[in-house]
Amino acid sequence: QVQVVESGGGVVQPGRSLRLSCAASGYIFSNYGIHWVRQAPGKGLEWVAFISYDGAKETYADSVEGRFTTSRDNSKNTLYLQMNSLRVEDTAVYYCAKRMDTSPYTLDIWGQGTMVTVSS
Amino acid sequence: QSALTQPASVSGSPGQSITISCTGASSDIGYYNYVSWYQQYPGKAPKLVIYEVTDRPSGVSNRFSGSKSGNTASLTISGLQAEDEADYYCFSYTTASTYVFGGGTKLTVL
Repeated sequence: QVQVVESGGGVVQPGRSLRLSCAASGYIFSNYGIHWVRQAPGKGLEWVAFISYDGAKETYADSVEGRFTTSRDNSKNTLYLQMNSLRVEDTAVYYCAKRMDTSPYTLDIWGQGTMVTVSS
Repeated sequence: QSALTQPASVSGSPGQSITISCTGASSDIGYYNYVSWYQQYPGKAPKLVIYEVTDRPSGVSNRFSGSKSGNTASLTISGLQAEDEADYYCFSYTTASTYVFGGGTKLTVL
């Protein structure tokens, strides 16, 4: 069964850092790019970042560029999101989502998300 | 990276058809056929229902269909059922090598 599972969320003060993880199973992790998407409470989905299958290419939304960094460890089938200089507006459920087999610009498998709350 | 524009809400009665529009720009929807649509129930993860404008993943009802004209993509749900009541989001790749979601549309089945 193909799945991705996020972890690492919690409550953090503004300006501090947090690292999220996304553990993948049921498929060849090193063959697929993977995305981070977030959803603030009561709001819509916002694309956050993408990393290519080999980690060579990363792209970010303007709202997190320079503060967030995504990386992956293909030997551990795990994706990471390092979030620095956190702001109140970064409060959201963070999802990781796998790129689709047959369509490289589509997200087909999503995790259940991990909640990040930025508050003093 | 402006969000794609969707109506905040649409509604329809069981058995009817509804269409949700998603308007972008020549740098995203208008440039690529890489528009996908996601269905999300409250408190749940999104689920893919349409990809590359018109294609339906295995297991998704054929009541769901997609189309595109210029900078606007559309999702149509025919034979509306109570279980279709959910939020729907469009998503597109952009010429800046980034991605963008629509603001989301709440579908109410009357």
